[in-house]
Amino acid sequence: DAGITQSPRYKITETGRQVTLMCHQTWSHSYMFWYRQDLGHGLRLIYYSAAADITDKGEVPDGYVVSRSKTENFPLTLESATRSQTSVYFCASSVPGLAEAFFGQGTRLTVV
Amino acid sequence: AQRVTQPEKLLSVFKGAPVELKCNYSYSGSPELFWYVQYSRQRLQLLLRHISRESIKGFTADLNKGETSFHLKKPFAQEEDSAMYYCALSTSGTYKYIFGTGTRLKVLA
Repeated sequence: DAGITQSPRYKITETGRQVTLMCHQTWSHSYMFWYRQDLGHGLRLIYYSAAADITDKGEVPDGYVVSRSKTENFPLTLESATRSQTSVYFCASSVPGLAEAFFGQGTRLTVV
Repeated sequence: AQRVTQPEKLLSVFKGAPVELKCNYSYSGSPELFWYVQYSRQRLQLLLRHISRESIKGFTADLNKGETSFHLKKPFAQEEDSAMYYCALSTSGTYKYIFGTGTRLKVLA
């Protein structure tokens, strides 16, 4: 399917475990982003990427790791999950000059 | 620092009433402002961008650089407008988007 897809849609994990959230886009957009959505905080930027092998920290990067070996994939890894990382995670993509970000359907992560 | 402020967490209006969702931003340069909408159980999608000066689903938003505001307005609210609305800022020279905390709009029958 064309577009931007996230997997899994729902995930429950235990404190201390490593978990990876996947994001895949079929448009070859150069820019990709990870946000977390929390009540009272809105969407906060975790990491972003301008192109393959180029990533940078956003507002709330602690406890997260990203990689971008291919343009179409931008996985987000929680190295040792904590309850405070319970959230809905959104991946997005964009291109220079387009000025619109396209979002995935989100991953609801619960850390118990 | 770049910041987007949406002062209202929840806004309830009756069907047919006017709606104004407030957004203020902090940025010293030339910003690009957007409104994104998230309907129940759906992904975020772009509603408006200031550079296009268009009206989508009856909504309009005007960038006021003097007041650093980008309020979203609709003259007559519809029940299907009920959703979460986010104001977002993109700054020149970067490509990241800064979002506000969002306003949940409830349109009552």
